Amino acid sequence: AQTVTQSQPEMSVQEAETVTLSCTYDTSESDYYLFWYKQPPSRQMILVIRQEAYKQQNATENRFSVNFQKAAKSFSLKISDSQLGDAAMYFCAYRSAGANFNKFYFGSGTKLNVKP
Amino acid sequence: DAGVIQSPRHEVTEMGQEVTLRCKPISGHDYLFWYRQTMMRGLELLIYFNNNVPIDDSGMPEDRFSAKMPNASFSTLKIQPSEPRDSAVYFCASSLGGQGDLETQYFGPGTRLLVL
Repeated sequence: AQTVTQSQPEMSVQEAETVTLSCTYDTSESDYYLFWYKQPPSRQMILVIRQEAYKQQNATENRFSVNFQKAAKSFSLKISDSQLGDAAMYFCAYRSAGANFNKFYFGSGTKLNVKP
Repeated sequence: DAGVIQSPRHEVTEMGQEVTLRCKPISGHDYLFWYRQTMMRGLELLIYFNNNVPIDDSGMPEDRFSAKMPNASFSTLKIQPSEPRDSAVYFCASSLGGQGDLETQYFGPGTRLLVL
């Protein structure tokens, strides 16, 4: 089975600074999708960004971008110009493109604190 | 669309009581997922449905848990009898399904369950 690892349980960043959250995964598949979800204190899971494994270009959504290293099985999230509203739990997730394509595997999460 | 709707948002009950959690997926979505989130185990997939049919229930912890989807717009997760270790946040998510690019899941706000 696929596994997703987030090795940073908690991180802090100063407002307006940049922070990078790490994620690694283990899979034998060549085609898959990767996601970052944000979970604010309200507990709702919000999609932040997604990446297709077959695309070499890193995905970008406004202040959020990823560094996807397929060979290293690494998928980090960079948040630029951090805002107080970015404070949340962030989950990395993997989704197969194969037979179990609707099954998501989530990491344990990284709690991001943003200091004013 | 109002997004995925879950009710109740909070539930407090006593051990041994029956608990029913409800979910209304996004209209047109063919897949519905139930997740459980705890501090100890993170986010776990319990079961998912495709076109109202349960596809994978391997994550359901034990016979006390059951899930149904009588129609495309409604699903329930029932715990009978409930135990304190069932205390968690339960999420429902839906997706269009298929193997198309960028497919992802949309989460509801969650139900916070506390079993005393």
